[in-house]
Amino acid sequence: EDQVTQSPEALRLQEGESSSLNCSYTVSGLRGLFWYRQDPGKGPEFLFTLYSAGEEKEKERLKATLTKKESFLHITAPKPEDSATYLCAVQGGRNYGQNFVFGPGTRLSVLP
Amino acid sequence: EAGVTQFPSHSVIEKGQTVTLRCDPISGHDNLYWYRRVMGKEIKFLLHFVKESKQDESGMPNNRFLAERTGGTYSTLKVQPAELEDSGVYFCASSQRRVNTGELFFGEGSRLTVL
Repeated sequence: EDQVTQSPEALRLQEGESSSLNCSYTVSGLRGLFWYRQDPGKGPEFLFTLYSAGEEKEKERLKATLTKKESFLHITAPKPEDSATYLCAVQGGRNYGQNFVFGPGTRLSVLP
Repeated sequence: EAGVTQFPSHSVIEKGQTVTLRCDPISGHDNLYWYRRVMGKEIKFLLHFVKESKQDESGMPNNRFLAERTGGTYSTLKVQPAELEDSGVYFCASSQRRVNTGELFFGEGSRLTVL
């Protein structure tokens, strides 16, 4: 069964303090790993898709990387508006449909 | 361009009652998904439509849940009769046909509270 864990559960940073979020996954035959951002009271918002180990994607202050067992979301010089829950999801294994397995998320708070 | 819209945003019902949630996907998106997050748990897949056909309903918890997608446009998710454990946030998402980039467009969710 595909599984996704994320750490830490919650993270508080000062504005400008860079850090990384971790997503560890167990899947048979990864088809894709996805990062989403979710603000309170909103639905998840797509950030990145990574398909294979060694791949990297960047968007503003965010960079996502992928290995064979985990993915990292690096946040460089975060701002308060980066505060949100960051979700990791995978698609793979026997799941040949388009349903994703989500992790529990990391709640990020960036203090001014 | 309008995003995915869901109605109602919040519904409070008593155990045993019926609730119907509605989702309007982004125009032109053939793929429509239902996910839900129950308290303290991860977001979990319920089912996937391609146009009006159910492509995958492996995540539907039991036969108290019925999803339909009339004419390949909007979708409804009916819970009948509702139980306490059905409380949570139900998300609808849509994507363009034959796009497997992981980019799902989610609605803001319908919060269901069963008392």
